[in-house]
Amino acid sequence: QVQLQQSGPGLVKPSQTLSLTCAISGDSVSSNTAAWNWIRQSPSRGLEWLGRTYYRSRWYNDYAVSVKSRITINPDTSKNQFSLHLNSVTPEDTAVFYCARETGSARPFDFWGQGTLVTVSS
Amino acid sequence: DIQMTQSPSSLSASVGDRVTITCRASQGISNYLAWYQQKPGKVPKLLIYAASTLQSGVPSRFSGSGSGTDFTLTISSLQPEDVATYYCQKHNSVPWTFGQGTKVEIK
Repeated sequence: QVQLQQSGPGLVKPSQTLSLTCAISGDSVSSNTAAWNWIRQSPSRGLEWLGRTYYRSRWYNDYAVSVKSRITINPDTSKNQFSLHLNSVTPEDTAVFYCARETGSARPFDFWGQGTLVTVSS
Repeated sequence: DIQMTQSPSSLSASVGDRVTITCRASQGISNYLAWYQQKPGKVPKLLIYAASTLQSGVPSRFSGSGSGTDFTLTISSLQPEDVATYYCQKHNSVPWTFGQGTKVEIK
């Protein structure tokens, strides 16, 4: 059974960088059939996909246009996990953040992390 | 980007009722449409993908249909444990986008 365990701070100051980690068990971040995503949810934005990383003979990333200038998603093969870094945050970035797996070609999110509420406030 | 629009935004029905939720894509997405259920304070749970394929373990009272731009999620007999918000999501290509959600309550 795949499990995704999120970790990271719940409070970030404006203009700083939001960083979260998603540890994977039951699968591999280097899987040739899975992709590893970050999604956020807020009352104002609903569910919003932020980006993903995946391995297909080399590493690839895709990012949402809305955050493309501020986001980095990195795999860590030594720890079988991946991370989200969102810089220059504002209070509008306050949300519950989820990591999630998609598997296979054009398949939706079948496993999700537990969610992390991140509040951007001074 | 392709936009996903759900209707209604909320509904109230009695136990045993047939419930239908609609999702419309701003462009055709073939059958690449998923439905999720999110109970209050919980993580979204995949119910249906490829418009009509039931995810393993999901009760058979849930069904999906549609293709192109118009899709439907049906609960054949609403149960108390089905109280939740339901989201559609296109899964043909990035960027993945979700509908705004439909909140289902018991009357």
